[in-house]
Amino acid sequence: GAVVSQHPSWVICKSGTSVKIECRSLDFQATTMFWYRQFPKQSLMLMATSNEGSKATYEQGVEKDKFLINHASLTLSTLTVTSAHPEDSSFYICSARGMTDKAVNEQFFGPGTRLTVL
Amino acid sequence: GDSVTQMEGPVTLSEEAFLTINCTYTATGYPSLFWYVQYPGEGLQLLLKATKADDKGSNKGFEATYRKETTSFHLEKGSVQVSDSAVYFCALRKNDYKLSFGAGTTVTVRA
Repeated sequence: GAVVSQHPSWVICKSGTSVKIECRSLDFQATTMFWYRQFPKQSLMLMATSNEGSKATYEQGVEKDKFLINHASLTLSTLTVTSAHPEDSSFYICSARGMTDKAVNEQFFGPGTRLTVL
Repeated sequence: GDSVTQMEGPVTLSEEAFLTINCTYTATGYPSLFWYVQYPGEGLQLLLKATKADDKGSNKGFEATYRKETTSFHLEKGSVQVSDSAVYFCALRKNDYKLSFGAGTTVTVRA
């Protein structure tokens, strides 16, 4: 149980375009989802926290107008990278925290999405 | 602010060798401590955790003890296997459920 999926697993786009990444909790409802960014051979950096039905909370230094987060349901959050540029190329990872039982105090991570902006 | 410092890698070992990855933290209050593992091409998986001082987390032969006096949570395994090759992340969590990660340590185990 407690599986989180991400789609797509990798995407290549042209500079200036927007890219949407989906994060789904497959077998549990997630009150909170987190979005991280991971640079090569570096740690995960928390970008934002999203709660279902409310606006995301962004970490200091993360542009909320560039990284749009929507958490419309208890099983789906999306991250849209708007007007992407090569420096936005990275590995984006989501995690989800559940509502009940085992999932309530844990974060379960998706497999990540590799974004390359040309 | 809260932070996690872990041993730099990469670490290369032979099978059946002893593995230690050092992790120390800086935080106010009483965080929970975690080790996550990322196998090649996969997402992060929780390996073990400890929620209070002197707790020992263990899983798959790995162990780590929450040492408040030294603010440490070192990961150990007595006999590694090739399948343990992965990136290991130490992390702490406060009451807001946000995780702060260390930089990660790449471990390669050779047959």
